[in-house]
Amino acid sequence: AQKITQTQPGMFVQEKEAVTLDCTYDTSDPSYGLFWYKQPSSGEMIFLIYQGSYDQQNATEGRYSLNFQKARKSANLVISASQLGDSAMYFCAMRAPALQGAQKLVFGQGTRLTINP
Amino acid sequence: EAQVTQNPRYLITVTGKKLTVTCSQNMNHEYMSWYRQDPGLGLRQIYYSMNVEVTDKGDVPEGYKVSRKEKRNFPLILESPSPNQTSLYFCASTKVGGPTGELFFGEGSRLTVL
Repeated sequence: AQKITQTQPGMFVQEKEAVTLDCTYDTSDPSYGLFWYKQPSSGEMIFLIYQGSYDQQNATEGRYSLNFQKARKSANLVISASQLGDSAMYFCAMRAPALQGAQKLVFGQGTRLTINP
Repeated sequence: EAQVTQNPRYLITVTGKKLTVTCSQNMNHEYMSWYRQDPGLGLRQIYYSMNVEVTDKGDVPEGYKVSRKEKRNFPLILESPSPNQTSLYFCASTKVGGPTGELFFGEGSRLTVL
């Protein structure tokens, strides 16, 4: 079964520190994609970063990077130099061919990140 | 501007009073889906549609209906809402066969059933 696990319900980090949000996944499909979304207190879902299972390099988008360890089935999100505006809920998600032809995303439970000044 | 639009954004209703949450996208996406978000459970899929007139159940379809008569619209219908349907609802869409499969989300509809 396709599954995403986020084991950190909440994290507290000092401003300007780097933070790593954990995500592990389970799939038997060799081709899959991994996503991170941010949900601020206003509620909308903001796409942050994507990693394909065959991508040779870890994905990066500005201060966000994805630490993709395929053998361990982990896809941790790293935020460098955290800012107060990074305080939000973060969701890891996966798509795979077995999931409605790779259109469906399966989500983890989320991690609530709080940045302290 | 490319977007997914949901209405209403906020709604308080009473048990048994039928309601519809509308969803419209302007990106010509084939695939549309409804999710509900509950604390500690993440987002769970309610229904999805691969194209016009093609809909199917997701993981938590009980108590919901959908229709897809036009490509851009995918309304979610609660025929007889109950308090356990109090939740934050998201409509999402994507292009079938797109490069990443990124889902584009609406802004969410927060529903309270008393």
